Amino acid sequence: KQEVTQIPAALSVPEGENLVLNCSFTDSAIYNLQWFRQDPGKGLTSLLLIQSSQREQTSGRLNASLDKSSGRSTLYIAASQPGDSATYLCAVVGWFGNEKLTFGTGTRLTIIP
Amino acid sequence: DTGVSQDPRHKITKRGQNVTFRCDPISEHNRLYWYRQTLGQGPEFLTYFQNEAQLEKSRLLSDRFSAERPKGSFSTLEIQRTEQGDSAMYLCASSLAGTGGFAGANVLTFGAGSRLTVL
Repeated sequence: KQEVTQIPAALSVPEGENLVLNCSFTDSAIYNLQWFRQDPGKGLTSLLLIQSSQREQTSGRLNASLDKSSGRSTLYIAASQPGDSATYLCAVVGWFGNEKLTFGTGTRLTIIP
Repeated sequence: DTGVSQDPRHKITKRGQNVTFRCDPISEHNRLYWYRQTLGQGPEFLTYFQNEAQLEKSRLLSDRFSAERPKGSFSTLEIQRTEQGDSAMYLCASSLAGTGGFAGANVLTFGAGSRLTVL
């Protein structure tokens, strides 16, 4: 059974700093990995999707990497802003998952102005 | 198209009552998913539909839960005889699967969720 872990559970950093969020998964037979953002009481917004054949994806100040063999992904946020404060979730789709996502428990990020 | 819509956004009910949530997916999307998220946890898969067919159900979906997608468009999730442990955010998502079947490359679009509080 696939298990997805995100450490730390919470992170606070001053505005302007670069930061890295971590995600690990136990079964490397994944089809893709996605990073989502969730604001309090709201649904999920997809940030980046990395196919299993890819090593990284970039969107603006966000860069996600994938090391399938070690079961790890990182989300790098450059020049953090208070508006980046949210919970960040990673999720994987297995080869036989039919797009069924297995989520981690998330990292709650607070950017201090 | 305004995305995935869920209604109601928040439902407070007493233990033992029935509740129903509705999800309207993006109109051209043929796959629709239900997830449940409890406080401090990531979402957990409940069930999914391709068009009107319910193709998979999680063991989390007890016999008090039923989901339908009668015409392959909107979907309902009904919880009968609610229990306090049912309190959670119920998230709906949709995607467009290719004709090849498995289309894991597609990004799921999530709705804002329906929060259930059982007193």
